[in-house]
Amino acid sequence: GAVVSQHPSWVICKSGTSVKIECRSLDFQATTMFWYRQFPKQSLMLMATSNEGSKATYEQGVEKDKFLINHASLTLSTLTVTSAHPEDSSFYICSALSPSGRPYNEQFFGPGTRLTVL
Amino acid sequence: DAKTTQPPSMDCAEGRAANLPCNHSTISGNEYVYWYRQIHSQGPQYIIHGLKNNETNEMASLIITEDRKSSTLILPHATLRDTAVYYCIVIRAGNNRKLIWGLGTSLAVNP
Repeated sequence: GAVVSQHPSWVICKSGTSVKIECRSLDFQATTMFWYRQFPKQSLMLMATSNEGSKATYEQGVEKDKFLINHASLTLSTLTVTSAHPEDSSFYICSALSPSGRPYNEQFFGPGTRLTVL
Repeated sequence: DAKTTQPPSMDCAEGRAANLPCNHSTISGNEYVYWYRQIHSQGPQYIIHGLKNNETNEMASLIITEDRKSSTLILPHATLRDTAVYYCIVIRAGNNRKLIWGLGTSLAVNP
């Protein structure tokens, strides 16, 4: 099956700093990637849809100037949390869309990145 | 896409079958039932999907009722590694957009 990686797997940073998270599709090209956020004991919440070569589409309530998304190539999307604060501490998960032969283009998920802001 | 309802938690003894129910009473004719699971602190993992017929793969079986308003995911011989949150999601064919994630069922497989 298709593999999606994320880097780093965990990061601890000081309040006010920026953190970049990478999402890579390792064995397929993905024109569309998704970024999710998951707080403890809660479900995944879609933050934004990342499209290669164009601006990301953000979900309602997600600040685009705070969560910068860059999808510069067909295998890489990055999420930068700018001026991170403790309330941004969460588990960030990306997924990449790939034609899979299933009824809809399959989303393959990365392993997630645990962000802790002190 | 149709909304789903799942019990918040279930327990299962190791080696026994785990039967996880999902209600999707508003499902439409062109919507598929998908199951994912999320092991603690990992990304979601695809398990199985179906439209009308029962399906089986190396991980699980999916039983969909004739009226398609509910389904059951069956893990035939649960192991400790099957402890996870299981999500039932209904997806319209051709829909490449966002998946709507509920709270799922937290399955605890006990030794």
